[in-house]
Amino acid sequence: NAGVMQNPRHLVRRRGQEARLRCSPMKGHSHVYWYRQLPEEGLKFMVYLQKENIIDESGMPKERFSAEFPKEGPSILRIQQVVRGDSAAYFCASSGGLGNEQYFGPGTRLTVT
Amino acid sequence: GENVEQHPSTLSVQEGDSAVIKCTYSDSASNYFPWYKQELGKGPQLIIDIRSNVGEKKDQRIAVTLNKTAKHFSLHITETQPEDSAVYFCAASKGSGGSNYKLTFGKGTLLTVNP
Repeated sequence: NAGVMQNPRHLVRRRGQEARLRCSPMKGHSHVYWYRQLPEEGLKFMVYLQKENIIDESGMPKERFSAEFPKEGPSILRIQQVVRGDSAAYFCASSGGLGNEQYFGPGTRLTVT
Repeated sequence: GENVEQHPSTLSVQEGDSAVIKCTYSDSASNYFPWYKQELGKGPQLIIDIRSNVGEKKDQRIAVTLNKTAKHFSLHITETQPEDSAVYFCAASKGSGGSNYKLTFGKGTLLTVNP
């Protein structure tokens, strides 16, 4: 019974490159949430998606960040033209529906050099 | 928007003692309050949660209490063990129709249980 899967676990990018982070929700879950965790900070909500729909992206930076959850395949968080301030741990969570608990993946630790 | 304050930021206890972590929230519409445990290099693990229609919930050595009037909730761990050492996060969310997305997290408490 696999939990939430995220890959890669660690990602190093140079400034200006693109970062793609992938998340596969738990089996049977159709709701995906992305959070960002800066050092010494709690997690900050970024975006909430259902299959093929962005429900709430109020926590996403207006530029360079995008997310999708296609009908087939994992959810993708894409960061274009990365800057040093994007270095953080990015966590994905999934739930079975509104009102249900959110279960987190192991995270992707992005380092921008 | 919602704001969650968490105290203390660090907590050191002796094995077998109890540990209490407290959180306050600002939005009276919040109705779901989960607690997560995060070990080094891992993702947050849901350990217990409480909804606004109850005042207390217990699961073995872990309990959570909620005071809606004062807008605060607490995590209680009894008979602590070294493996309880981790960072603990509280969170809050609100919604209509039972929705509870967009968790707002506290900044975390580093709990150290000394053998």
